[in-house]
Amino acid sequence: DAGVIQSPRHEVTEMGQEVTLRCKPISGHNSLFWYRQTMMRGLELLIYFNNNVPIDDSGMPEDRFSAKMPNASFSTLKIQPSEPRDSAVYFCASRRTSGRDEQFFGPGTRLTVL
Amino acid sequence: GEDVEQSLFLSVREGDSSVINCTYTDSSSTYLYWYKQEPGAGLQLLTYIFSNMDMKQDQRLTVLLNKKDKHLSLRIADTQTGDSAIYFCAERPGTGFQKLVFGTGTRLLVSP
Repeated sequence: DAGVIQSPRHEVTEMGQEVTLRCKPISGHNSLFWYRQTMMRGLELLIYFNNNVPIDDSGMPEDRFSAKMPNASFSTLKIQPSEPRDSAVYFCASRRTSGRDEQFFGPGTRLTVL
Repeated sequence: GEDVEQSLFLSVREGDSSVINCTYTDSSSTYLYWYKQEPGAGLQLLTYIFSNMDMKQDQRLTVLLNKKDKHLSLRIADTQTGDSAIYFCAERPGTGFQKLVFGTGTRLLVSP
């Protein structure tokens, strides 16, 4: 299995631009999580889905952030418009409901907003 | 409330034991985890312990759980330079539907 796949790995954009981060979870996993990691705030859970349905989006910082999961094999996190304070590493993780409850993390997308 | 706290930094010499500590607040947590993050990579599960256990050993790793004090520790025996990474403690709250609450992470630096 290829593991959780995220794209792009690095993104540099200018303030005000729209940014779309993509994630392909591990096949057969039915939960998907989006996290943000910064030096100041550490690792924050933004939103998670179960069976493609958003369960808890209380971590989404503001309306500029939105996430979708149109099917079991794909999710996007969109920031529009982007701001310099959105610069961070964004991780996607997936999990299978049964088993030892392990979340498998992707390699992350490093976003820099100038 | 849910809050997981860790010290930010630990430095040890190669061959020594490392002990990373964590405190959590949710007494109904079912599972507690240790994740490792190497530079430029995502988090990877190292080990976990179920809340009805006091100790779990896995090769060089020993996890100790003190439920009374809500204290979790990770001991790495014979620490190697390859163990240098950030270590995250995480709890699965009893009321949280599948989500994990992560600590701030402890950066372990192993010097030769």
